[in-house]
Amino acid sequence: DGGITQSPKYLFRKEGQNVTLSCEQNLNHDAMYWYRQDPGQGLRLIYYSQIVNDFQKGDIAEGYSVSREKKESFPLTVTSAQKNPTAFYLCASSTNGAGRDQPQHFGDGTRLSIL
Amino acid sequence: GNSVTQMEGPVTLSEEAFLTINCTYTATGYPSLFWYVQYPGEGLQLLLKATKADDKGSNKGFEATYRKETTSFHLEKGSVQVSDSAVYFCALNVGAGKSTFGDGTTLTVKP
Repeated sequence: DGGITQSPKYLFRKEGQNVTLSCEQNLNHDAMYWYRQDPGQGLRLIYYSQIVNDFQKGDIAEGYSVSREKKESFPLTVTSAQKNPTAFYLCASSTNGAGRDQPQHFGDGTRLSIL
Repeated sequence: GNSVTQMEGPVTLSEEAFLTINCTYTATGYPSLFWYVQYPGEGLQLLLKATKADDKGSNKGFEATYRKETTSFHLEKGSVQVSDSAVYFCALNVGAGKSTFGDGTTLTVKP
């Protein structure tokens, strides 16, 4: 079945440590996205990529980094510069990032906590 | 800029009750509108969408009509079930790769 796979489901970070969240899709989608979700709040866009080897900052990119070396993969690194990383992280993809009528397809998320 | 305002929750209903979750938006350009649903511990799933004024999106008994004159896209269902308990997100997309989401409305349906 086609879909988006996020791993791990739960992740713990120590102070001063960088951690990387994996996101893989087999939907052949061009565009991929990372969102942060805090309790009782909506989704906030961290980074997005409309094509391989290119990505743009979203609304809350500070303390995060991404890469897009392959069409199917869009890993997110939460760096030690992100002082409040505890949240639920969602990866999404869509057929065409430029089109306004394309819905986004989401993975099941990674819950990151601080040790 | 773009923004989506959803009815504040949580919303608690009895089974078979009528559901309305309000959603209004502001957008630069002509947006497409979406409702997504999130079950506990999972990502969001598309529930329905509408891409132009007066379009009605529908799925699994849920409906929403794109009202350009009132900039609204309210979600309705005539008879809710316990299995409809989830968080519902209204969203818009004007293109260029970015969607704007509302804060979500938590629905709990009691038997």
